Amino acid sequence: EPEVTQTPSHQVTQMGQEVILRCVPISNHLYFYWYRQILGQKVEFLVSFYNNEISEKSEIFDDQFSVERPDGSNFTLKIRSTKLEDSAMYFCASSVVRENIQYFGAGTRLSVL
Amino acid sequence: KNEVEQSPQNLTAQEGEFITINCSYSVGISALHWLQQHPGGGIVSLFMLSSGKKKHGRLIATINIQEKHSSLHITASHPRDSAVYICAVRPQTGANSKLTFGKGITLSVRP
Repeated sequence: EPEVTQTPSHQVTQMGQEVILRCVPISNHLYFYWYRQILGQKVEFLVSFYNNEISEKSEIFDDQFSVERPDGSNFTLKIRSTKLEDSAMYFCASSVVRENIQYFGAGTRLSVL
Repeated sequence: KNEVEQSPQNLTAQEGEFITINCSYSVGISALHWLQQHPGGGIVSLFMLSSGKKKHGRLIATINIQEKHSSLHITASHPRDSAVYICAVRPQTGANSKLTFGKGITLSVRP
């Protein structure tokens, strides 16, 4: 069964460093998403992406964040200068169209020291 | 602002019991998702529904749009059903693609 894959599973970085979280969505899906879950809290929407541009973003998704689809398969989330409060689980998801069910990856745990 | 409330917060059941998890929300929605999150953290989509009822194996999800309420039922529960069950909704308005999540219910099924 097709699945969304995320790498790495765990990323440790120093405060102020740039990180890139990678995702390979399901191949025939057109909508891509990033979500964040701080330990013990709700999952929060960050951004949705369609047709090579941001479709929607939340207040959390400030200038420190960017997304890119550098080729036909990868979808990346970049955090330019990480802060301690960026420590969280980051989930990528994809769907065929916006109205369809979203399929989630296993997540990347980001630890900022 | 759309609020998603789930109850009860924690639930413990004995293997074989019928379990119901509830979700209520405050604004009109175009769809509601039920998700399962395992201790390792990964999220699995169980259902997406906008009306009526869906069934998959031992899981049944229902939604009442007028009452802004959904339930997830687990029949013949098993210890492997132990997980966090999360309800998430997509608002009705325009180009809105984002999901708003509830806090999740932690379910423990004892053998």
